[in-house]
Amino acid sequence: DTAVSQTPKYLVTQMGNDKSIKCEQNLGHDTMYWYKQDSKKFLKIMFSYNNKELIINETVPNRFSPKSPDKAHLNLHINSLELGDSAVYFCASSQGQGASYEQYFGPGTRLTVT
Amino acid sequence: QQQVKQSPQSLIVQKGGISIINCAYENTAFDYFPWYQQFPGKGPALLIAIRPDVSEKKEGRFTISFNKSAKQFSLHIMDSQPGDSATYFCAANPGSNTGKLIFGQGTTLQVKP
Repeated sequence: DTAVSQTPKYLVTQMGNDKSIKCEQNLGHDTMYWYKQDSKKFLKIMFSYNNKELIINETVPNRFSPKSPDKAHLNLHINSLELGDSAVYFCASSQGQGASYEQYFGPGTRLTVT
Repeated sequence: QQQVKQSPQSLIVQKGGISIINCAYENTAFDYFPWYQQFPGKGPALLIAIRPDVSEKKEGRFTISFNKSAKQFSLHIMDSQPGDSATYFCAANPGSNTGKLIFGQGTTLQVKP
């Protein structure tokens, strides 16, 4: 059973398009996150939700909009894609929102903007 | 202030050797320090973590050493194995109750057989 799953695994699209990445966790966790890993492997948090409530909203262009329809799902919608958005996006979840709760990462979605 | 600096960027170790990765931070409000391991094509996975009230934590072959006064912490992998070849990230929580983690730049470890 996959604990944290993301779809799609690969996404290739052109500049200016709008795309979504979906994330689901079956761990019964309350908190979910989106991270961006750039080409140098630098990992940076973008958003987190706890029980569908936005908790962390880092300095991210407002073209990125997370949506949490329920606590098991956290989707990421990106408008007007730019070349610099090319990266691997990871979803993660944890039992609670404190730092000491282990974060379980999904397999990632590799987004390539051409 | 909100950075974690990690070194080296890459590391090659012979099988059976000790791998050492170092991290440093500036903000004394940081209060939780995990290490994550990432294999190619996979998401990061928690390896081991420490709080600043402890100077060392050991789990199997993996040990975190923590120096609060120097604001430095390091990961030691004893008896390194080829299966340990991966990218390792240190991280820190900036003293918030949000689960926010600030990651270091990562270290790519290669263990030669």
